[in-house]
Amino acid sequence: DIQMTQSPSSLSASVGDRVTITCRASQAIGNSLAWYQQRPGKAPKLLLYGSSRLQAGVPSRFSGSGSGTDYTLTISGLQPEDFATYYCQQYYRSPQEAFGPGTKVEVK
Amino acid sequence: EVQLVQSGAEVKKAGESLKISCKGSGYSFADSWIGWVRQKPGEGLEWLGIIYPIDSDTRYSPSLEGHVSISADTSINTAYLQWSSLKASDTAMYFCALISVTATFFDNWGQGTLVSVSS
Repeated sequence: DIQMTQSPSSLSASVGDRVTITCRASQAIGNSLAWYQQRPGKAPKLLLYGSSRLQAGVPSRFSGSGSGTDYTLTISGLQPEDFATYYCQQYYRSPQEAFGPGTKVEVK
Repeated sequence: EVQLVQSGAEVKKAGESLKISCKGSGYSFADSWIGWVRQKPGEGLEWLGIIYPIDSDTRYSPSLEGHVSISADTSINTAYLQWSSLKASDTAMYFCALISVTATFFDNWGQGTLVSVSS
């Protein structure tokens, strides 16, 4: 099984800040990585796939990069609605496309 | 517009059976993979399994296989997650989600069904 880790588990930031979240896979996953945003009490929402492809309708302040085992999600210019928990997910090995444990972005 | 509408919250006792549903609309239900994701209180997302409704090809997480079953009815565009004997540890929010035509990530999600199981 491919295991996913994320760092940090939580962070505090202010509106306008640049935020970076890291996701690491236990083996190379060939850019088969998706990022989701989950606001409290809501269903997750797809932000990016293919490590860097923005899902339709997602603001361009969200970007992704990475390769091999290491990937990052960057939010450039944090907005009030971006305070949420972010999850990565590998889909290189199916079934059981594992999620990372999540990173909570909180108000500083 | 793609929509996944899940059944309402459930309160059950350990040992009881349960079937929750997810009705899809706005896309071709029969030939689109759909899956289930669990989120226990205060925890992260856990991939449970997926089904291809047109032929009922189903894949499960090894950790849950045998405890839950996934099914689908193409005549009413509805997928199901079912337990024959609930445990208190099944208490969680359950999301159905549609797998992208591009690859096996989820690009549309249901609103979630809260299942509470008392011992």
